[in-house]
Amino acid sequence: AQSVAQPEDQVNVAEGNPLTVKCTYSVSGNPYLFWYVQYPNRGLQFLLKYITGDNLVKGSYGFEAEFNKSQTSFHLKKPSALVSDSALYFCAVRAYSGAGSYQLTFGKGTKLSVIP
Amino acid sequence: DAGITQSPRHKVTETGTPVTLRCHQTENHRYMYWYRQDPGHGLRLIHYSYGVKDTDKGEVSDGYSVSRSKTEDFLLTLESATSSQTSVYFCAISPTETEQFFGPGTRLTVL
Repeated sequence: AQSVAQPEDQVNVAEGNPLTVKCTYSVSGNPYLFWYVQYPNRGLQFLLKYITGDNLVKGSYGFEAEFNKSQTSFHLKKPSALVSDSALYFCAVRAYSGAGSYQLTFGKGTKLSVIP
Repeated sequence: DAGITQSPRHKVTETGTPVTLRCHQTENHRYMYWYRQDPGHGLRLIHYSYGVKDTDKGEVSDGYSVSRSKTEDFLLTLESATSSQTSVYFCAISPTETEQFFGPGTRLTVL
């Protein structure tokens, strides 16, 4: 069965510093990987995805993610953190669920706090 | 929120009462999903739909049923609400079973 692990419940980073939010996955076959962000009292917003191709994926709001097949990781990164990046971040993997359909399995989320 | 609305946005109900949550989309996407979000669990899939009248169970489907009679509407019903169903419920839509787009959520409290 597929799974996603976000090993850090919380990440604190100073404004202007680079940030990394970690994600590792387990899935059969080629992975489709996603990052979402959730601001307080809002739904999840899609940030970026990896399906195939370049291992470095660029997404919304200056975020990027690096796919590493050998380490089964898909870490989210940003070169310079903003206070407004403070939010809850979810990693997800798509997996085949049978009967011709696919589902997303989400990690438990990582709370990012950017300190002014 | 990508042409997707949820109603009601907040609801307080009592144990044993039926509850129906509605998800409405204006994107004409084929796939629709219901999730619940609980602290420490992330998002867990309850039910999903891959077309009108085509639905299937997710990871945490016990105590929930769904219906989709039109492309734009996906209903989630709690037949007899329990306190363990207190949660925030999110609907999501997808055109192609890749990225999903989420609604604003419904906060349900079962007393």
